Amino acid sequence: QQQVKQSPQSLIVQKGGISIINCAYENTAFDYFPWYQQFPGKGPALLIAIRPDVSEKKEGRFTISFNKSAKQFSLHIMDSQPGDSATYFCANLGGAGTALIFGKGTTLSVSS
Amino acid sequence: NAGVTQTPKFRVLKTGQSMTLLCAQDMNHEYMYWYRQDPGMGLRLIHYSVGEGTTAKGEVPDGYNVSRLKKQNFLLGLESAAPSQTSVYFCASSLSAEQYFGPGTRLTVT
Repeated sequence: QQQVKQSPQSLIVQKGGISIINCAYENTAFDYFPWYQQFPGKGPALLIAIRPDVSEKKEGRFTISFNKSAKQFSLHIMDSQPGDSATYFCANLGGAGTALIFGKGTTLSVSS
Repeated sequence: NAGVTQTPKFRVLKTGQSMTLLCAQDMNHEYMYWYRQDPGMGLRLIHYSVGEGTTAKGEVPDGYNVSRLKKQNFLLGLESAAPSQTSVYFCASSLSAEQYFGPGTRLTVT
């Protein structure tokens, strides 16, 4: 089974700081690398995703950096806010259709 | 649009009992998925479907069965519940790569 290894498991960042979460993947056959965000008591929701034809994608304060040779991609949250406190999951396509294999998640706490 | 809905929201079962979780989507998506979420384990794919009438096994299929008789519905069944199946279950659907998740069902097996 394809693996997706995510780190760190938890992260505490001061308000205004930069949060960085890393993901290492195995399946190089697919071309879609997403990050999902989950608030307590809710289902996950797509935050940002990247295709490997670019090395970086930015949406507001959220940036994905992609390193194809290292088989890694990371999520950077600039100017972190208390409202960003959530669990973040990276994923890689893992089966037929669009089935995703998720990392184990990173719990981010942004202190005010 | 309601998006993805799940029924029920909470359920408590005794060991050996059976139940069915219902997932419905109104976005005309071809693909549907069932995941379970446990502390420290992330989201693990149980079964998925790439279209009406089709199902396939995911990472952790044992102890579960699924059916996709209608395009908009994906049912997850537990024939004989075990305490190890205590978890939060999420359904998702997609047209392409982006998956849309439901609000989850919290299941406790005692």
